[in-house]
Amino acid sequence: DSGVTQTPKHLITATGQRVTLRCSPRSGDLSVYWYQQSLDQGLQFLIQYYNGEERAKGNILERFSAQQFPDLHSELNLSSLELGDSALYFCASSVGLTTGELFFGEGSRLTVL
Amino acid sequence: GENVEQHPSTLSVQEGDSAVIKCTYSDSASNYFPWYKQELGKGPQLIIDIRSNVGEKKDQRIAVTLNKTAKHFSLHITETQPEDSAVYFCAALGGNTPLVFGKGTRLSVIA
Repeated sequence: DSGVTQTPKHLITATGQRVTLRCSPRSGDLSVYWYQQSLDQGLQFLIQYYNGEERAKGNILERFSAQQFPDLHSELNLSSLELGDSALYFCASSVGLTTGELFFGEGSRLTVL
Repeated sequence: GENVEQHPSTLSVQEGDSAVIKCTYSDSASNYFPWYKQELGKGPQLIIDIRSNVGEKKDQRIAVTLNKTAKHFSLHITETQPEDSAVYFCAALGGNTPLVFGKGTRLSVIA
């Protein structure tokens, strides 16, 4: 158990809809990262928050947004969903801003029909 | 930005044999190279890492080597066991960007 909690574990929705994925980081970790894992695409970095502020942005679509709340949990919002958004979405946390070791949750599997 | 290439994408070995996974990176400023193992239905977990001031690091049956000049690093697993079957990811960290991952290698250890 990494200490990172993600909900929901599975989500099935239709194209055009909006969903919210939630992540609670390990106790004491200030950084939260979101990664997308699609078939044969590895782990694509989406966005990082540190202590409530956005610190780095990767290949995150404009239809996607995220935030980190004062209690350090984070939410990833995906809107106007398309079939291609079907993927595993991982949240990870780390103690510092640029530390190497990330602790991953078990992921949220999104299926868009 | 950083780009990490990983090979092979799939690897099958007999139990007891060795497995080698190779990665290259593009950003010479990268200085930290971890390897993650992802078992079915779980998130990736760090198994070993190496920093740029070290050429090799070993932990029991796994070892990682780094060649900074050539910008490549490798994971070596000896005496493979069925529980080593998983997807392995290499990654690189440099500058102010978060970890950049390779596309993964699916390792199957055949008993």
